[in-house]
Amino acid sequence: DAGITQSPRHKVTETGTPVTLRCHQTENHRYMYWYRQDPGHGLRLIHYSYGVKDTDKGEVSDGYSVSRSKTEDFLLTLESATSSQTSVYFCAISEPGANQPQHFGDGTRLSIL
Amino acid sequence: ILNVEQSPQSLHVQEGDSTNFTCSFPSSNFYALHWYRWETAKSPEALFVMTLNGDEKKKGRISATLNTKEGYSYLYIKGSQPEDSATYLCAFRSVANTGNQFYFGTGTSLTVIP
Repeated sequence: DAGITQSPRHKVTETGTPVTLRCHQTENHRYMYWYRQDPGHGLRLIHYSYGVKDTDKGEVSDGYSVSRSKTEDFLLTLESATSSQTSVYFCAISEPGANQPQHFGDGTRLSIL
Repeated sequence: ILNVEQSPQSLHVQEGDSTNFTCSFPSSNFYALHWYRWETAKSPEALFVMTLNGDEKKKGRISATLNTKEGYSYLYIKGSQPEDSATYLCAFRSVANTGNQFYFGTGTSLTVIP
């Protein structure tokens, strides 16, 4: 398995609180991604990073921010969590090139009450 | 946002049956098409990556084909086994955004009945 660790694996919090999810990789891959997975929607991209301090928005970026201060860590922050952000969050990594697949972490189940 | 569609949404087959499902994607600005297998309570695992029109890939009883001109890919499973039960996802990548983004379909959920 690719060396990807997501933390925490489960979290329950209240509306309005800040939440930070961490993705840590040991593969030295250039690209890192955050997705959310909701019933009927599949995997939707929140933000991705193509290098240290280089990030870009995905299709559902509103309400989320990210940071990547070193190659191995990609943080996803919900500044003020809302119930609509209750979801399962997956981190993925990949290398450049058309033939390079993504490798996924085990997911973080986030519940916002 | 690019539209990637998979059909059927779900499928139940008997053990030993062969089956196939479809991924449809934009026929312009093609970069790559990926297939993933996603078992319940696990994370998606890469099955195939296809980059050229006419590509065919095979891994054991599972194979995939690619038609970039008409914008579709088929995944075939021959002689389905209960351990094939999973959700199969496809992801399209476009040169329009340097291929960095993966656009996923909603998946086909396969249940193989023993």
